[in-house]
Order: sequence, then C-alpha cells, then structure tokens
Amino acid sequence: ETGVTQTPRHLVMGMTNKKSLKCEQHLGHNAMYWYKQSAKKPLELMFVYNFKEQTENNSVPSRFSPECPNSSHLFLHLHTLQPEDSALYLCASSPSRGGSQPQHFGDGTRLSIL
Amino acid sequence: EDKVVQSPLSLVVHEGDTVTLNCSYEVTNFRSLLWYKQEKKAPTFLFMLTSSGIEKKSGRLSSILDKKELFSILNITATQTGDSAVYLCAGVNAGGTSYGKLTFGQGTILTVHP
Repeated sequence: ETGVTQTPRHLVMGMTNKKSLKCEQHLGHNAMYWYKQSAKKPLELMFVYNFKEQTENNSVPSRFSPECPNSSHLFLHLHTLQPEDSALYLCASSPSRGGSQPQHFGDGTRLSIL
Repeated sequence: EDKVVQSPLSLVVHEGDTVTLNCSYEVTNFRSLLWYKQEKKAPTFLFMLTSSGIEKKSGRLSSILDKKELFSILNITATQTGDSAVYLCAGVNAGGTSYGKLTFGQGTILTVHP
C-alpha cells in the first residue's frame, strides 16, 4: 500500500470511446503527476500539478486531458486515443514539486486501445 | 535535454550472488538521484542520493553517488528470488522550467533464479 490509489486497474477501449482514469492520494501531498510507461521505454512524464495548478505539460497530445480538482485527486480524461497510446499509466505524488523528497507511485492503470 | 542511462538492461543471476546495477546521468541543475524497484505494480522507492561518496544502506541493498563522474551504482548482496524486479533510476532537475522533474532510465531487469 503506497498511499496512492489508481482506478481502474485495467481498461480496454476503442479508439472512439471516452474514458477517465482516476488517482487519489492519502499522503497529504501537494504535487501530483501522470506518467506513461510503454514497453521497453523509460517512464515518460506527462503532466505535473502543484497545489491544483498545472505546472507542466510535457508536449502531450490534446487527446489526453488532465484535471486536478483538489490536491488529493487527479484525473486523466481520454478521448479518440490511438493504438500507440496503449501503455501503463502511473500516477505519483510528492510533498512538493521541487524534488527534495521522493515521489510515491500508484499501481497504475493498464490501458489497451483496440 | 536530460538523459539517464542504465546498464545492464537485463541481468540473470542465482540466489546468493551479488549484483551491481549502474546508472549514468546528464541532468542540468542536478539535484538528486533516485532508485526505485518495480515488480508488477507501483515503483517503490529505495534510495535518494544527493551527496557524493555517502553510501546509503537498507538491508542487503546499498547505493552510492559520484557527482564528479555523473553516475550511481546500486548493489544487492546475497540476492534472493524476491529481488527479481525492474530497477529504475531517475535524475532530479532542480532548475528553471524543469524544476523537480524526474528523468528516468530504461530500467534494469533483474532475474534471480533459485
């Protein structure tokens, strides 16, 4: 139990569907992150939120839309995805954005695009 | 652009062996280096290294950072089958628009046979 909970654990969707991934952290952290982990590639940072404000969008296509209603919750809204978007999507949180303390990860959502 | 390279990419050993995993980095405004262990789920935090030459230990695992040569090693002694996992290292950028950003290496897949 890492204190970061992601749902769903697995998601299969067609390219025309709209779905959302959810992340909740119970650690009292102020920074939250979305990462993409594809086979044989390093973890890629997608978005960073600090105190609910987006501070980084790492050139992510607009078919991925993040939302952070409060410091404990983070969503990733998905629409018209492509097969190459199939991957493990990991959420993480940390006390602050600056990197002085480690990020804590959730178990991820395994996404498959048909 | 920040870059982290891990070697070897995969390693197969027998229980009781000692292994050394390598991580080299090129990170502007370098702040720290992190090691994570990833089994089938969330990457779990192992070590955060900020200063050169100071070994961090946790049981059979230890790690050290060399900021002059820009690398870190993770040692595991008396390996057990439960050590089988992907080991990730990440460099933390402490400056500018990349403040707090983690850049991950590809990971080392460690397999420990009984």
